[in-house]
Amino acid sequence: NAGVTQTPKFQVLKTGQSMTLQCAQDMNHEYMSWYRQDPGMGLRLIHYSVGAGITDQGEVPNGYNVSRSTTEDFPLRLLSAAPSQTSVYFCASSSTGGVEKLFFGSGTQLSVL
Amino acid sequence: DAKTTQPNSMESNEEEPVHLPCNHSTISGTDYIHWYRQLPSQGPEYVIHGLTSNVNNRMASLAIAEDRKSSTLILHRATLRDAAVYYCILRDVDFGNEKLTFGTGTRLTIIP
Repeated sequence: NAGVTQTPKFQVLKTGQSMTLQCAQDMNHEYMSWYRQDPGMGLRLIHYSVGAGITDQGEVPNGYNVSRSTTEDFPLRLLSAAPSQTSVYFCASSSTGGVEKLFFGSGTQLSVL
Repeated sequence: DAKTTQPNSMESNEEEPVHLPCNHSTISGTDYIHWYRQLPSQGPEYVIHGLTSNVNNRMASLAIAEDRKSSTLILHRATLRDAAVYYCILRDVDFGNEKLTFGTGTRLTIIP
């Protein structure tokens, strides 16, 4: 099993550009989520999904869109990148429910100039 | 959303036990207590979780207060590889609440 795969690992954008961060898992997990982590800070929840076709906002959703058309994939879209979105982005997945543990990807480091 | 409170940082000597506290005074009866850690330049990784009883695994032990309003992650013999940020979060046993927030965690420094 590959677990949670995030691509790309690094990305540099110019202000106003759009891009999609990819997240895929091969564990048939219902739950997937996106976090951002600024330097020296903790993880902040952007969006999450509890199954295909279901998404909801986290703590910091502005500037980001998500969709969940399949169980395996949960892409994060930046429609018009801003320097404030410079951060490291982590995707996580899990079966639903408190007894299940979260699995994290290795992260995407995004810089917006 | 159920919240947790952790100290910002802690230090421990190598090969000594480490006790990392977490307060969760608003925990509900259906919340599991989860611990994750994040090594430098890596994604978070699972450490341990529990509901009411104390739990042990190969990485650590989890001690849960009788009223469940606090818990302690115990690293029995810290090594330099345990230097990381440790996060305590709550996760409902049911489908209903999956808005999982992490906070800033505790940065653990191990002194050789």
